Amino acid sequence: AQRVTQPEKLLSVFKGAPVELKCNYSYSGSPELFWYVQYSRQRLQLLLRHISRESIKGFTADLNKGETSFHLKKPFAQEEDSAMYYCASRGGGNKLTFGTGTQLKVEL
Amino acid sequence: NAGVTQTPKFRVLKTGQSMTLLCAQDMNHEYMYWYRQDPGMGLRLIHYSVGEGTTAKGEVPDGYNVSRLKKQNFLLGLESAAPSQTSVYFCASTATGYGYTFGSGTRLTVV
Repeated sequence: AQRVTQPEKLLSVFKGAPVELKCNYSYSGSPELFWYVQYSRQRLQLLLRHISRESIKGFTADLNKGETSFHLKKPFAQEEDSAMYYCASRGGGNKLTFGTGTQLKVEL
Repeated sequence: NAGVTQTPKFRVLKTGQSMTLLCAQDMNHEYMYWYRQDPGMGLRLIHYSVGEGTTAKGEVPDGYNVSRLKKQNFLLGLESAAPSQTSVYFCASTATGYGYTFGSGTRLTVV
């Protein structure tokens, strides 16, 4: 069974500081990994897919198969980045398995 | 193009009552899902469907039933609501090669 681990429930950083949200996965095949963002009481929105290797809102994430990680990074945090972030892995039946989420709080 | 629409947005039920949550998508997606979101637990898959007329159990299916009679609709039923089913319910859809599109959620309280 797939498993996605986000070890931090809450991450608090100051505006302008670097951000790294950790995600580790366990999957025997070739994983397809995503980051979703949820702003206060809104729907989840796709932030990144590892296969697209693009940067959205200044965020990037690199798949490290050796460490089974897909950490989300941003060099300079902005106040509008405050949100809940979910890492997810897609498996059979196109099912997404989510981590428990990390609440990012950017302080002024 | 509305994407994924969930109704209702809010509901309060008494223990033992029944209700149906409706999810509708207009993107011709094959796959549809129902998740529940609880604090500290992330999103957990309740049931899903890989096409019209098909359904399958997810991680936490007990106490819920689903139907996919039309490709664009995925219904989630609670036959006898319990306080443990107090949660925010999200529907999502996708097609092969695409990311998920989520609905705006249904906030359900069972008292």
